[in-house]
Amino acid sequence: KQEVTQIPAALSVPEGENLVLNCSFTDSAIYNLQWFRQDPGKGLTSLLLIQSSQREQTSGRLNASLDKSSGRSTLYIAASQPGDSATYLCAVNGDYKLSFGAGTTVTVRA
Amino acid sequence: GAGVSQSPRYKVTKRGQDVALRCDPISGHVSLYWYRQALGQGPEFLTYFNYEAQQDKSGLPNDRFSAERPEGSISTLTIQRTEQRDSAMYRCASSLTGGADTQYFGPGTRLTVL
Repeated sequence: KQEVTQIPAALSVPEGENLVLNCSFTDSAIYNLQWFRQDPGKGLTSLLLIQSSQREQTSGRLNASLDKSSGRSTLYIAASQPGDSATYLCAVNGDYKLSFGAGTTVTVRA
Repeated sequence: GAGVSQSPRYKVTKRGQDVALRCDPISGHVSLYWYRQALGQGPEFLTYFNYEAQQDKSGLPNDRFSAERPEGSISTLTIQRTEQRDSAMYRCASSLTGGADTQYFGPGTRLTVL
């Protein structure tokens, strides 16, 4: 069974600082890995999807890397803003079902 | 529609009652998924449909849980004889095709069993 771990569980930074969120998984036989953002009372918003053949994916201030052989992914958020405050979830797609980590809750202080 | 919609958004019920949760996927999306999320945890897979066919129901906790998607579009997740441990956020997602496609999630239904 795929196990997904996210460290740290919570993170508080001042505005403008770069964020580094970590995700590790136990089974490297994956199709892809998705990073989601979760806001209270709302659905999960897909931020980035990295295919298993890719090493990284970028969207605006977001950059995600994938090292499939070591079972690790990192999400970088540059120049954080208070609006980046949310819970970030990592999900690994092994066939069609997603296996999620418990998330990292980020607070960006103005 | 523009996104995945779910109804009701909130459901409070008494132990022993049956509940039906509805999911309306993005128009044209072939695959539909149900997940359940406990507080402070990530979502956990329940079941998966390709068109109207239920391809995998291995995540359903027990036989009180069932799901259907009779016309390959809207899906209903039914929980019979609800118990307090069923309280959670139930999330639905859809994707254009199955497998490695991006899954798009709805806002979820918060179920509380008293």
